[in-house]
Amino acid sequence: GENVEQHPSTLSVQEGDSAVIKCTYSDSASNYFPWYKQELGKGPQLIIDIRSNVGEKKDQRIAVTLNKTAKHFSLHITETQPEDSAVYFCAASSRDAGSARQLTFGSGTQLTVLP
Amino acid sequence: DSGVTQTPKHLITATGQRVTLRCSPRSGDLSVYWYQQSLDQGLQFLIQYYNGEERAKGNILERFSAQQFPDLHSELNLSSLELGDSALYFCASSPLVGGGTDTQYFGPGTRLTVL
Repeated sequence: GENVEQHPSTLSVQEGDSAVIKCTYSDSASNYFPWYKQELGKGPQLIIDIRSNVGEKKDQRIAVTLNKTAKHFSLHITETQPEDSAVYFCAASSRDAGSARQLTFGSGTQLTVLP
Repeated sequence: DSGVTQTPKHLITATGQRVTLRCSPRSGDLSVYWYQQSLDQGLQFLIQYYNGEERAKGNILERFSAQQFPDLHSELNLSSLELGDSALYFCASSPLVGGGTDTQYFGPGTRLTVL
């Protein structure tokens, strides 16, 4: 099955700096890569996703890049703010013949933005 | 707020007992997914239902079962509970299985504590 590795496990940045979180996946059939933000006591919240026919996607301060050849994808947050502090999870998924889709998550990155 | 609701928020029970967790998907979503989040295992996919039918199974124990009802709400039943079943249980929903409409939106979770 799919295996997703995520690095780093913790990341501290100064407010205004950029943060980068990297993930690798093992299943070449994976074609959907969402990123979730989880704040304490809450469920994961989708912040951005990318599909395998796209190499990069941006949404304001957040961008995701995908390298299918190397099987890795990254989350970039620019101009970080204290409210960006949370745990971030990457995930990978492929759709099987029956149209079922299950997400395999990375282990998470605790991002702390220091004021 | 993702639009996915889960009840109860917290559940405390004893080993050997049985509990039922409930999930209401976003309005119009046909697919429901259940995930378990624990400190040692991270976020793990348990099971997926689509319009009342089971579509995919992940690392779900035989003591656990789920169903999706005609009104599309879903229940996760956990029986013969063990200490190791203590975790956060999340439900997610997506509109359809396929195309660009299978993005998963997570509920706030149910925290299960087994004593």
